[in-house]
Amino acid sequence: AQSVAQPEDQVNVAEGNPLTVKCTYSVSGNPYLFWYVQYPNRGLQFLLKYITGDNLVKGSYGFEAEFNKSQTSFHLKKPSALVSDSALYFCAVVLYNQGGKLIFGQGTELSVKP
Amino acid sequence: DAGVIQSPRHEVTEMGQEVTLRCKPISGHDYLFWYRQTMMRGLELLIYFNNNVPIDDSGMPEDRFSAKMPNASFSTLKIQPSEPRDSAVYFCASRRGGGNQPQHFGDGTRLSIL
Repeated sequence: AQSVAQPEDQVNVAEGNPLTVKCTYSVSGNPYLFWYVQYPNRGLQFLLKYITGDNLVKGSYGFEAEFNKSQTSFHLKKPSALVSDSALYFCAVVLYNQGGKLIFGQGTELSVKP
Repeated sequence: DAGVIQSPRHEVTEMGQEVTLRCKPISGHDYLFWYRQTMMRGLELLIYFNNNVPIDDSGMPEDRFSAKMPNASFSTLKIQPSEPRDSAVYFCASRRGGGNQPQHFGDGTRLSIL
C-alpha cells in the first residue's frame, strides 16, 4: 500500500538551533513528494516539492528537504529555527496514477522556544 | 492574486439540518479537491474534480455527503442530514495541471454539529 509516515507527533527545538522534521514514504515507482505547513486556523501552505533532479530541494521561508531514495525518506530541515516557524507540518506523496491525489502524513507539531 | 476562497468560515448548526459549504478556486486551476480534517483521522480527501467533472469520490463517507461543481469557479459540499460526527474543518484546494504541481488550500470551514 502506498503511504507516508511522520514518525514524530511533536518536535521541540530552541530558537536558533537547526530543526529536522522527519518523513518516510512507501510508493511504487518514483515519488513526487511535498511539504506543507499549517498555521492555526489557516489552510495548508505549500513549502517545497521534490519531483526529480537534485536530492536537496530548497523552499519557502528558508526551509529545505533532502530526498533519500535508499532510505525512502524526505526530511524537512532548516539551519536556524525561528519562533515563527512553530506550526503543524505535513509531508505528502502524490499518487500520480490516481490523478495526482495527495496522501498526507499525520502531521508533526513543531514548537520553537525562545 | 486571490487564493482559494471558502465560505462560511464557521458554521454551527443542529443535528439533522442541511449544511452547504462553498468554495471558489483560483482562476485557471483545473483541479478542485475537498478535504476533511479531524484530530482523530487527520486530513482526508473526500472528492476531487477535474474540469468540473467528479473524478474520485471514494472518500465521501456516506450518501449524506454530496459535492457539485457547476462551473469552473464554484463548488459546493453538502451534508444532509448532518450529524455530530460530521464536525470537522473542511478544506477546499485547487491546482493547475498535473500532480507535480502544488495544491493551494483555502482557510477552511469549521463545522460544528450540535
